[in-house]
Amino acid sequence: GNSVTQMEGPVTLSEEAFLTINCTYTATGYPSLFWYVQYPGEGLQLLLKATKADDKGSNKGFEATYRKETTSFHLEKGSVQVSDSAVYFCALYTGGFKTIFGAGTRLFVKA
Amino acid sequence: EAGVAQSPRYKIIEKRQSVAFWCNPISGHATLYWYQQILGQGPKLLIQFQNNGVVDDSQLPKDRFSAERLKGVDSTLKIQPAKLEDSAVYLCASSWGQGAANTEAFFGQGTRLTVV
Repeated sequence: GNSVTQMEGPVTLSEEAFLTINCTYTATGYPSLFWYVQYPGEGLQLLLKATKADDKGSNKGFEATYRKETTSFHLEKGSVQVSDSAVYFCALYTGGFKTIFGAGTRLFVKA
Repeated sequence: EAGVAQSPRYKIIEKRQSVAFWCNPISGHATLYWYQQILGQGPKLLIQFQNNGVVDDSQLPKDRFSAERLKGVDSTLKIQPAKLEDSAVYLCASSWGQGAANTEAFFGQGTRLTVV
């Protein structure tokens, strides 16, 4: 079946450090891939997306590239800020209107 | 544009009691979702509506959970009777639901349910 696997957290970084959160997926067909972010006390918000292989999604300094050969969609940011502290969810959309979420990775950024 | 509205934000009930959550999606969004997010886990889809029809309720525990979207706009999710393991955040989301590969879901802030 379709599934998403994320690296376990929490991830703790100092401000301005480089961030990578790994995400791999299993899916039939050609899914669209998403990263959602959940700030404390808020609902999930779409951070970025990619709809086909080799697409790069980007937003707010975050990037992720859809790698079909490795079935991965790793989230990266060159220099994190304290305000980036949140839970990050990788997700895939396989059609039939269904989005499947990973377990989430909590990021703490220290000043 | 107004976002997805949910109420209440928090609810504490005793096991075996009943509880109801309400969701008002973004205006014009045909698809509405209810997700259950247990602490430390990703959201799990409980039920999905397309207008007022159910598209997927395969993961809804139908012996105790029910949901409706009578007029194809707002929706209620009910649990009766509640169990301790129902403690979670219940998220409502909506999307245009046109079936495009890049459909984005917009989420409400959620209702945090604690069953004691």
